[in-house]
Amino acid sequence: EAQVTQNPRYLITVTGKKLTVTCSQNMNHEYMSWYRQDPGLGLRQIYYSMNVEVTDKGDVPEGYKVSRKEKRNFPLILESPSPNQTSLYFCASTGYTDTQYFGPGTRLTVL
Amino acid sequence: GENVEQHPSTLSVQEGDSAVIKCTYSDSASNYFPWYKQELGKGPQLIIDIRSNVGEKKDQRIAVTLNKTAKHFSLHITETQPEDSAVYFCAASPLNDYKLSFGAGTTVTVRA
Repeated sequence: EAQVTQNPRYLITVTGKKLTVTCSQNMNHEYMSWYRQDPGLGLRQIYYSMNVEVTDKGDVPEGYKVSRKEKRNFPLILESPSPNQTSLYFCASTGYTDTQYFGPGTRLTVL
Repeated sequence: GENVEQHPSTLSVQEGDSAVIKCTYSDSASNYFPWYKQELGKGPQLIIDIRSNVGEKKDQRIAVTLNKTAKHFSLHITETQPEDSAVYFCAASPLNDYKLSFGAGTTVTVRA
């Protein structure tokens, strides 16, 4: 089954404790991205990757890092999380028809 | 950059009635306009999209219209059913750019 998976689905952490949210897709897509979803703001792009070893900032990149060492994986890294990064995070990969396939989401709470 | 505005933010309709959600965009270079449906606890899922070379597209009970001159596009859901209750997002991007700019979302509730 074609899908995007994310882990963990839920995470509660404390300020300053580094964390990584994993993302994997099995559709051989080149383009992947991370979004955060906040009430009243829709989905805002954090980072994207056009291909392996090629990443770039989206609209809200501050406080986040990503890496793309393999085509299927695109982890999101928060080196020093802060409470304003409490949000719902989605990974997505894009096929050749421009359709973006979203993962199930990761709900992060930073205390 | 692109700015997408979406209205209304909430919409309550009686089962069987129609629902209409409207979006405007700012960047005249945008020519790909998808609509996503997000059910509770799930990621957004594409339900229909339209490209700038057509003015209307229909898929069973859902349709999308595009007015490039006015820079707005709309989602129409006819004969609404309880399973249509969800959050709907519009988005816009230049074709083959892959960077989508999303609207803030519309929470649709279909009353039985």
